[in-house]
Amino acid sequence: QKEVEQNSGPLSVPEGAIASLNCTYSDRGSQSFFWYRQYSGKSPELIMFIYSNGDKEDGRFTAQLNKASQYVSLLIRDSQPSDSATYLCAVNRSGGSNYKLTFGKGTLLTVNP
Amino acid sequence: DAGVIQSPRHEVTEMGQEVTLRCKPISGHNSLFWYRQTMMRGLELLIYFNNNVPIDDSGMPEDRFSAKMPNASFSTLKIQPSEPRDSAVYFCASDSGINTIYFGEGSWLTVV
Repeated sequence: QKEVEQNSGPLSVPEGAIASLNCTYSDRGSQSFFWYRQYSGKSPELIMFIYSNGDKEDGRFTAQLNKASQYVSLLIRDSQPSDSATYLCAVNRSGGSNYKLTFGKGTLLTVNP
Repeated sequence: DAGVIQSPRHEVTEMGQEVTLRCKPISGHNSLFWYRQTMMRGLELLIYFNNNVPIDDSGMPEDRFSAKMPNASFSTLKIQPSEPRDSAVYFCASDSGINTIYFGEGSWLTVV
């Protein structure tokens, strides 16, 4: 079983819709979870991180964590064409440091005008 | 702040040649990471430095790869000899310890 799994996509949604990106992880000791966005040809950039079960909202983005089921998701409301990118889920066993983040391979999101 | 600076941005080299990738982390960041990204394997951590000391190099694929951090503002990743399977994007990243890793723009390596 891969440590961090994501559907590679592509996930295609119309402009204005909600995009839902999912990630599962295998290590029950994982404590911190991150979502990165990577535009084609660019470097990853952090969107959000979450530590506790439940939802965490930041603007149009909501991260959801369920440790019992070992999944974390990212919802993007009112999707825009500029949201089209690959979204990487990352998991860290340590609660504090970013040491040794394990990344999924990413989900390609396309938002159609 | 200039961000994490990597060089070269693009390199094409012949198999067997030595490749040196360079990185300048963000000033004040005490953690530095080298990652490699390929379509097949995704983003993989190669090595992690904290306060210029290599903490974990278990991701370094083999002895052909080496990394150094002689001071807080400079790190290198060297591949000698290079092979076509080393073709990838190599990212350097730094972190101040507040849950935000900042990535450089990457070094795109092609070994022919």
